[in-house]
Amino acid sequence: ETGVTQSPTHLIKTRGQQVTLRCSSQSGHNTVSWYQQALGQGPQFIFQYYREEENGRGNFPPRFSGLQFPNYSSELNVNALELDDSALYLCASSLAPLGGLSYGYTFGSGTRLTVV
Amino acid sequence: GESVGLHLPTLSVQEGDNSIINCAYSNSASDYFIWYKQESGKGPQFIIDIRSNMDKRQGQRVTVLLNKTVKHLSLQIAATQPGDSAVYFCAEAISGGGADGLTFGKGTHLIIQP
Repeated sequence: ETGVTQSPTHLIKTRGQQVTLRCSSQSGHNTVSWYQQALGQGPQFIFQYYREEENGRGNFPPRFSGLQFPNYSSELNVNALELDDSALYLCASSLAPLGGLSYGYTFGSGTRLTVV
Repeated sequence: GESVGLHLPTLSVQEGDNSIINCAYSNSASDYFIWYKQESGKGPQFIIDIRSNMDKRQGQRVTVLLNKTVKHLSLQIAATQPGDSAVYFCAEAISGGGADGLTFGKGTHLIIQP
């Protein structure tokens, strides 16, 4: 059984650019959620995907979007990057009945995004 | 808005002693709580969880206590080891009603002294 893998591990982008981060969920999990973790802070919920649709979202603007694929892997897209988007982006997969609350989340090691 | 918070940003303990990490939550609707451990360069690692219908839950060397009256959560680590050095986060969630994700606190950095 493999865990959650994220790519790339590190990324440097220029303000105004667009970025795509990728996540492969743990085997057997059907739900993927994304979190943003600023330095010295706890992770903040961005959104969750279940059955290829977004079914929950935190307080993030529309320029944060995502996709979930039939194999339950996922992408996080951020458009018009801002300096404040610099953070560790974490993906978590889980097995959620009917897309609701999961009682077990497995996190990946994250992608460190730096916007300059 | 309501959020999970922690009382101490840094906790220093002697190796072999017990550690207690505290967390205050303010969302009375939260009914599921999780403790995570995060080491440098890694993602959060699940330690233990508890639902609001319980007051205490034990794992291997760890115990979580939930006091719903004062909205307080604590993580006790017995016989602290050097490998326990990390940042510890508590997180809360609301079961049912949709996917609202986890709300994390800011974390407590646990430092183990030899």
